[in-house]
Amino acid sequence: EAGVVQSPRYKIIEKKQPVAFWCNPISGHNTLYWYRQNLGQGPELLIRYENEEAVDDSQLPKDRFSAERLKGVDSTLKIQPAELGDSAVYLCASSLDGREGSYEQYFGPGTRLTVT
Amino acid sequence: SQQGEEDPQALSIQEGENATMNCSYKTSINNLQWYRQNSGRGLVHLILIRSNEREKHSGRLRVTLDTSKKSSSLLITASRAADTASYFCATEGEYGNKLVFGAGTILRVKS
Repeated sequence: EAGVVQSPRYKIIEKKQPVAFWCNPISGHNTLYWYRQNLGQGPELLIRYENEEAVDDSQLPKDRFSAERLKGVDSTLKIQPAELGDSAVYLCASSLDGREGSYEQYFGPGTRLTVT
Repeated sequence: SQQGEEDPQALSIQEGENATMNCSYKTSINNLQWYRQNSGRGLVHLILIRSNEREKHSGRLRVTLDTSKKSSSLLITASRAADTASYFCATEGEYGNKLVFGAGTILRVKS
């Protein structure tokens, strides 16, 4: 079974440029998460989707970050414009329907973003 | 903000020795999970322990949970070089399945 797929794996951009990350979750997983992980820290949740609905985006900096999950499968996270402080690893994860219980999350390999 | 705090920040042991990592948290939880992260395999779920459980085993892993002290420990027995990684505890609050990760413990197992 394929795991969570993310692309690109690495991205280097100049500040003020836009950037987008793509995630394909494990088939059958209704819940999708985007995390940001700074160097030496644990992941921090940016947004959580239950199917197409964003049910927790309280940590998403909405002035420059946006996300979508059309059709409740793939998801895209966008930053526009990027700032130096956005340099981090962006992780996507998925799990079974979290509303029914607590399930482990399966993480993708992440996208390492460097903003210069 | 990160709820869990792992201790120690870094740990270096010889292959075959046991490794113990601790996690403390601040608010009531539904469950606590441990994850491992290394460059080869990314972030991988190891074990989940619910708030009404006190101990759980999975292979060479043993996790304990003390909700009165708001703490958990992860024991890896008979460590191997392949166990070299960062280990994170993550807590899920009572009212939702939002995971809050700690900063992690870096484990190095020397062969």
